[in-house]
Amino acid sequence: DGGITQSPKYLFRKEGQNVTLSCEQNLNHDAMYWYRQDPGQGLRLIYYSQIVNDFQKGDIAEGYSVSREKKESFPLTVTSAQKNPTAFYLCASSLRTGGGTTEAFFGQGTRLTVV
Amino acid sequence: EDQVTQSPEALRLQEGESSSLNCSYTVSGLRGLFWYRQDPGKGPEFLFTLYSAGEEKEKERLKATLTKKESFLHITAPKPEDSATYLCAVRNSGGYQKVTFGTGTKLQVIP
Repeated sequence: DGGITQSPKYLFRKEGQNVTLSCEQNLNHDAMYWYRQDPGQGLRLIYYSQIVNDFQKGDIAEGYSVSREKKESFPLTVTSAQKNPTAFYLCASSLRTGGGTTEAFFGQGTRLTVV
Repeated sequence: EDQVTQSPEALRLQEGESSSLNCSYTVSGLRGLFWYRQDPGKGPEFLFTLYSAGEEKEKERLKATLTKKESFLHITAPKPEDSATYLCAVRNSGGYQKVTFGTGTKLQVIP
């Protein structure tokens, strides 16, 4: 089955600790994205990548870092610099076409909680 | 700056009671309006893409329509399993073709 796999489903972070969220896709999509979802707010873009070894900051990149060493993988690290990391994190991917990108497909999310 | 406003925030329907969800938008060159369904604790599930005013798409009990300023998601004779949050998003024509999401409409269908 083609799709996007995020792991873990739940993650707990201690103060001052870095944590990494995994995102893997087997849809052969070029573009990948990380969003953050908080109650009462729309999805907000953290980082995006349109090709391997290239990525760009989104609207709320401070305190986060990413890498894109393989087409299939786009891990997100939540660093200790992110002061309010408790949220639901969503990874997505889309296909690049001559006209841009197609609709995005999402993984099932990772819920991160600071303890 | 692109904006997406969804209304109502929440909607409660009796099973079989048809209604519509609204998505009003302002965008710098529309390159697609998307509808998603999101169940609690899950990622959004793609429903439709609309590209130009007058376009309509249907899937089971759902029908999405698009004008130059808004989109409607019509739900005909809903069932309890249609209960979810419905998200609307727009993609602009900028270099990155940024996607902006609304905050969603939470739909509850009561048996």
